[in-house]
Amino acid sequence: AQSVAQPEDQVNVAEGNPLTVKCTYSVSGNPYLFWYVQYPNRGLQFLLKYITGDNLVKGSYGFEAEFNKSQTSFHLKKPSALVSDSALYFCAVRDKRGQNFVFGPGTRLSVLP
Amino acid sequence: SAVISQKPSRDICQRGTSLTIQCQVDSQVTMMFWYRQQPGQSLTLIATANQGSEATYESGFVIDKFPISRPNLTFSTLTVSNMSPEDSSIYLCSVEGVQGLTNIQYFGAGTRLSVL
Repeated sequence: AQSVAQPEDQVNVAEGNPLTVKCTYSVSGNPYLFWYVQYPNRGLQFLLKYITGDNLVKGSYGFEAEFNKSQTSFHLKKPSALVSDSALYFCAVRDKRGQNFVFGPGTRLSVLP
Repeated sequence: SAVISQKPSRDICQRGTSLTIQCQVDSQVTMMFWYRQQPGQSLTLIATANQGSEATYESGFVIDKFPISRPNLTFSTLTVSNMSPEDSSIYLCSVEGVQGLTNIQYFGAGTRLSVL
């Protein structure tokens, strides 16, 4: 069965500093991996995905994520955080045969001015 | 990308009543999904709604409690029946769209339900 872990409930970072939101996954075979962001009172918005190829994936709003197969991780990163990045971030996985997405528990990112 | 509209955006309901949530997509889609996001938690898939067939429910969710309609390829409704305070959640409609080599999911803004 597929599963996703986000080990940190909350991440605090100062504006301008780099940020990392962690994600590890478990899936049979090669995974499809996704990051979504949820701003207050909004639905989830797609940020980026890893399907195949380059392990470093670039997405919306300056975010990127690095796929590490040996560590089964897909951490979300941004070189310089903005206050407006404060939101709830969800990692998701889907195996290549599966229909459904499985979402992690979410990590609340707070960027402090 | 798909644009998804959900109604209502929020509601406060009394115990024992029912609420029907509408989801409208701006393009034709085969599958629509309904999720529940309980306070402080992640998304849990309730059911997958295909046009012209019965919805497929995930473990822990039943049709009597969460009846779903899918009358055409752009519209679906989810009803939360005989509500209790434990049903207080955000309910999200989602569709899949092709982006590059795979599908991604697009979400509506959600319906924030509070049951008193």
